[in-house]
Amino acid sequence: GQQLNQSPQSMFIQEGEDVSMNCTSSSIFNTWLWYKQEPGEGPVLLIALYKAGELTSNGRLTAQFGITRKDSFLNISASIPSDVGIYFCAQNSGGSNYKLTFGKGTLLTVNP
Amino acid sequence: NAGVTQTPKFQVLKTGQSMTLQCAQDMNHNSMYWYRQDPGMGLRLIYYSASEGTTDKGEVPNGYNVSRLNKREFSLRLESAAPSQTSVYFCASRLADEETQYFGPGTRLLVL
Repeated sequence: GQQLNQSPQSMFIQEGEDVSMNCTSSSIFNTWLWYKQEPGEGPVLLIALYKAGELTSNGRLTAQFGITRKDSFLNISASIPSDVGIYFCAQNSGGSNYKLTFGKGTLLTVNP
Repeated sequence: NAGVTQTPKFQVLKTGQSMTLQCAQDMNHNSMYWYRQDPGMGLRLIYYSASEGTTDKGEVPNGYNVSRLNKREFSLRLESAAPSQTSVYFCASRLADEETQYFGPGTRLLVL
């Protein structure tokens, strides 16, 4: 099956720093999804991207759909302690059934 | 609305025992999904139900069965648990024609 390569695996940063993570695939997709999972919880959708080149923001979060349609980036500006969690990229691999394939995640730790 | 609820929160089983993980949603969603999450692996789809009365295999269905009891409930059964099924299990639901999947809080299963 398809694989999503997400990097970095983990990040340990100071509060106030900016964060950047990315996801790549060997296949072309029509959407990119970014989820956040807080400790002990299920994932929550942060941003959905639908067009190549699209840049979408959600507060301090900005995500971009790569021009090649094989990659996506998520940036977090001015990080705060509550940004801690695992960030996943995901793809709809099941057409109208919306079966999601997830990357392995980026674990973010923010030091106050 | 409670959203997606899962029971139990934690479970310890011995190899060979059986159990059923319960999932319910009160959002009138059509589709429901079961994922498992293992360290460093992201989430992988076990089974899904596109609509009431239908179920299909996902990426890792071996060792599991599912039942879509009604529109609200989607259960996951382990007939003979194995240590390799030690994982965190997430249920999710989705409204027809919408991208977003809503996840429950998870069931943490340990098989000894």
